[in-house]
Amino acid sequence: RKEVEQDPGPFNVPEGATVAFNCTYSNSASQSFFWYRQDCRKEPKLLMSVYSSGNEDGRFTAQLNRASQYISLLIRDSKLSDSATYLCVVNPHTNAGKSTFGDGTTLTVKP
Amino acid sequence: DGGITQSPKYLFRKEGQNVTLSCEQNLNHDAMYWYRQDPGQGLRLIYYSQIVNDFQKGDIAEGYSVSREKKESFPLTVTSAQKNPTAFYLCASSIVRQGWNGYTFGSGTRLTVV
Repeated sequence: RKEVEQDPGPFNVPEGATVAFNCTYSNSASQSFFWYRQDCRKEPKLLMSVYSSGNEDGRFTAQLNRASQYISLLIRDSKLSDSATYLCVVNPHTNAGKSTFGDGTTLTVKP
Repeated sequence: DGGITQSPKYLFRKEGQNVTLSCEQNLNHDAMYWYRQDPGQGLRLIYYSQIVNDFQKGDIAEGYSVSREKKESFPLTVTSAQKNPTAFYLCASSIVRQGWNGYTFGSGTRLTVV
């Protein structure tokens, strides 16, 4: 079993749809969690950090469920420009160091 | 603007050659990392360094070497011992303290063995 698992998709949704991705992790001592966005043949870019209290940035909401060991990303009112691969990142520390990346979930938003 | 610069963008290596990938950052970050990404897969850690003149192996260090002589620079050498080096190589940096907010990545180097 992988340390961090994501549904690879692809998720194909129409513009305006709401879509949610989950990412499960096996290390219960994990401390830091992030969602990154990666466009085709580009570097990953930080989308948002994930906190136990949940956090929201515009149309994006991230949640952490420590009891069930998963993080989620919700995208509301999907735009064509949201089409990308979304990587979840899990780290056992609160101050950086070695992280484990999921393989990514691919989202395609269609007109 | 501060950032992290990788060069070259594309690199072609012949069998049996060593090649060095450059990574420079002016973000004043203490930590630097090298990741490898293969098609359809996530990032796998090759090496990382949290202070100058010190570095640790990641999950797939075999066939690679690094140095950290300056805070700003973390070059990666892909040696001839790396049997399947064709991949997308990403360098990243981060702060090292409580409340860190993830990695900043360079734009990557695509290495192809010819």
